[in-house]
Amino acid sequence: LAKTTQPISMDSYEGQEVNITCSHNNIATNDYITWYQQFPSQGPRFIIQGYKTKVTNEVASLFIPADRKSSTLSLPRVSLSDTAVYYCLVGDITGFQKLVFGTGTRLLVSP
Amino acid sequence: GAVVSQHPSWVICKSGTSVKIECRSLDFQATTMFWYRQFPKQSLMLMATSNEGSKATYEQGVEKDKFLINHASLTLSTLTVTSAHPEDSSFYICSARDVASGEGQETQYFGPGTRLLVL
Repeated sequence: LAKTTQPISMDSYEGQEVNITCSHNNIATNDYITWYQQFPSQGPRFIIQGYKTKVTNEVASLFIPADRKSSTLSLPRVSLSDTAVYYCLVGDITGFQKLVFGTGTRLLVSP
Repeated sequence: GAVVSQHPSWVICKSGTSVKIECRSLDFQATTMFWYRQFPKQSLMLMATSNEGSKATYEQGVEKDKFLINHASLTLSTLTVTSAHPEDSSFYICSARDVASGEGQETQYFGPGTRLLVL
């Protein structure tokens, strides 16, 4: 299982764009990159998933360079409700590979 | 997206008693479910992989006789904390893999969690 490294915490203000980078130097060929969001006392919530290049959905964008050794979650115009812990996970989604959570990034959005 | 439920959402019990937590996939079948434990301000720690119709696979350091897992159907897995002690107090989260999910889609759905407090 590829190990991931993320910043422990980040601070931002409402309306700003937030970019959270995750390093996964040992990512395997079949591995996908998935980001989850977790609020206190709740289960993780899926944000976005990608394999290479760029993926965009209604809540975020995911940028993956050609070597796939890192990825960046981009949250446009954050609001106070985006304050949460964000986890980057790497794994083969085609099988039943277990997801191993790293430390995650605690994002604090202030007014 | 698919929904995974947990019951109960919170439970308080006396030390020495056993507590059962249910994890259900509501609108899809899950041959594999996962159980996590999360202490305050910490990340999720995988405890075990629950396989329908077979024995669960436990992570290193997790006592299988302490945390009994049963996955008797394609939509239900249960975690029983036997002879619970205060140090077992934690937030327990399950997840279920949807084999029908495709590339770029959410493939593992998490339950809302169960908070256990052992007095």
